[in-house]
Amino acid sequence: EPEVTQTPSHQVTQMGQEVILRCVPISNHLYFYWYRQILGQKVEFLVSFYNNEISEKSEIFDDQFSVERPDGSNFTLKIRSTKLEDSAMYFCASSVGGSMYEQYFGPGTRLTVT
Amino acid sequence: AQSVTQLDSQVPVFEEAPVELRCNYSSSVSVYLFWYVQYPNQGLQLLLKYLSGSTLVKGINGFEAEFNKSQTSFHLRKPSVHISDTAEYFCAVRLLSSGSRLTFGEGTQLTVNP
Repeated sequence: EPEVTQTPSHQVTQMGQEVILRCVPISNHLYFYWYRQILGQKVEFLVSFYNNEISEKSEIFDDQFSVERPDGSNFTLKIRSTKLEDSAMYFCASSVGGSMYEQYFGPGTRLTVT
Repeated sequence: AQSVTQLDSQVPVFEEAPVELRCNYSSSVSVYLFWYVQYPNQGLQLLLKYLSGSTLVKGINGFEAEFNKSQTSFHLRKPSVHISDTAEYFCAVRLLSSGSRLTFGEGTQLTVNP
């Protein structure tokens, strides 16, 4: 069964450093998403991406964040200058269509900012 | 704006007992409703969804949920749980009118004891 994969599973970085979290969505999916979950808190929507552009973003997704689909398979989330409060589990998801369709989630990348 | 409340952060039950995990939502417009499960060190997996039609929805692993529009609830039930059902369960909503972002509840940790 096809699945969403994410690398790395755990990333440790120092405050102020740039990080890139990588995701490989399911191959025939067209919509891509990033969510995050700070320890002990809700899973929060960050951004959705369709047709090579951001279709929706939350208030969390400020100028420090960017997303890219650099080739036909990868979907990346970049944080330019990490802060301590960026420490969280980051989930990538993809779906074949828009709002009616199931979002398939990856296993997550745990980002720790020290 | 929509919001989701899961009233119980932890639910301990004995094996083969019935369980109900509660979810209430608030939204001024119609929504799609979802339940996801997260096993340890894994991503979120869809259990079931309500889009329209019958208010009783059956999902995987013997779970079902009932959409109650008047009470704005979408409680998850299973008549007899197994040890393997131990996991975190998340209720989520998505607006019909716009976007595809999921708004999640806080999660309920279900622990099934022998």
